[in-house]
Amino acid sequence: DGGITQSPKYLFRKEGQNVTLSCEQNLNHDAMYWYRQDPGQGLRLIYYSQIVNDFQKGDIAEGYSVSREKKESFPLTVTSAQKNPTAFYLCASSGGDNSYNEQFFGPGTRLTVL
Amino acid sequence: QKEVEQNSGPLSVPEGAIASLNCTYSDRGSQSFFWYRQYSGKSPELIMSIYSNGDKEDGRFTAQLNKASQYVSLLIRDSQPSDSATYLCAVKRLFSGGYNKLIFGAGTRLAVHP
Repeated sequence: DGGITQSPKYLFRKEGQNVTLSCEQNLNHDAMYWYRQDPGQGLRLIYYSQIVNDFQKGDIAEGYSVSREKKESFPLTVTSAQKNPTAFYLCASSGGDNSYNEQFFGPGTRLTVL
Repeated sequence: QKEVEQNSGPLSVPEGAIASLNCTYSDRGSQSFFWYRQYSGKSPELIMSIYSNGDKEDGRFTAQLNKASQYVSLLIRDSQPSDSATYLCAVKRLFSGGYNKLIFGAGTRLAVHP
């Protein structure tokens, strides 16, 4: 069954803690993305990676870090430097003909800072 | 001015009517356009992609693109209560170095009432 999985579904973080959100895909897609969504707002791009071992900052990368050691995996770390991390985090991937860049989303992780 | 603009709604239509959702974008170089549906608490689901001027139909959905006016719309015929969701418009932009990314609007909330 092809798709994108994210874990955990819900995550609670204490102030000052780093947490890592998992994103895995078995669609053989080259590109992967992390977005953040706040209530009533659109998606904002945090980081993206178009090939293994390469990634680029998006619009709101401060306080976040990523790695892309495997094609299937693109974990996101929310560091203590992120001032307001409570949000819905969405991972996406795209592949095939890159000129279309249709992105498909995982189910998301809802992060709450206690 | 936001790069991708949508009316936040809610757009309220009776069951069986046509729902018309609109989106404008600012970058004339934008190439590809997407409509995503997002149910409350869930991740976005791709429902339509359009790349050329004109109409593209898929079942009850029709996407319309007018690049001269920088305008893309989504029509939903025979609206059903299950169509009640937030609809996100996304526009693909190319950046230097061969990278591209999607720019999302904030979404329009559609409410279909029986």
